[in-house]
Amino acid sequence: AAGVIQSPRHLIKEKRETATLKCYPIPRHDTVYWYQQGPGQDPQFLISFYEKMQSDKGSIPDRFSAQQFSDYHSELNMSSLELGDSALYFCASRLAGKTDTQYFGPGTRLTVL
Amino acid sequence: QKEVEQDPGPLSVPEGAIVSLNCTYSNSAFQYFMWYRQYSRKGPELLMYTYSSGNKEDGRFTAQVDKSSKYISLFIRDSQPSDSATYLCAMSASAGGTSYGKLTFGQGTILTVHP
Repeated sequence: AAGVIQSPRHLIKEKRETATLKCYPIPRHDTVYWYQQGPGQDPQFLISFYEKMQSDKGSIPDRFSAQQFSDYHSELNMSSLELGDSALYFCASRLAGKTDTQYFGPGTRLTVL
Repeated sequence: QKEVEQDPGPLSVPEGAIVSLNCTYSNSAFQYFMWYRQYSRKGPELLMYTYSSGNKEDGRFTAQVDKSSKYISLFIRDSQPSDSATYLCAMSASAGGTSYGKLTFGQGTILTVHP
């Protein structure tokens, strides 16, 4: 079965640079979530989209923005990167109106030097 | 104080043991309860999903939810070395409310099953 696809899997950036993370949800899933997981931490909710509209917002810095496109894929844009942004970024998807079961992608490991 | 509390362990058990993992929570709005397994540097993998109070069994795994006590558990029977991973409890409020299903996680319990 198709799973959530994230790209790139690894990303190394310098401080103050920008990064774009991409997420391709499971086919027919219409809701996308982004989570940030720091070393030894639990995943923290950043932002979610339903039918291309932002549906909820968590602890996402103002330097970050995200959107969901017409094909339901999503991109997380991160600017003015800081050392503390180094983390695993997970995307999850679900089919709204069914259950709250979210399926996670393999994550993008971002390292800021 | 975190909305979801989970003993981070680590927990080390011999192969074949019964493992009990637990989480407590404070948000009464939580109605959907999940357990995820996460191997090192991988994405969380959904193990069990339950709605509201009750028990659910799937093979060697049993999930229990007690909403009156705000307490959930995951039991693993006949544990195997391949079960060694971090186990995360997660929960969400009704999607009909102001929360569209975002998950709140516990800290995760590191489990090692040794042969």
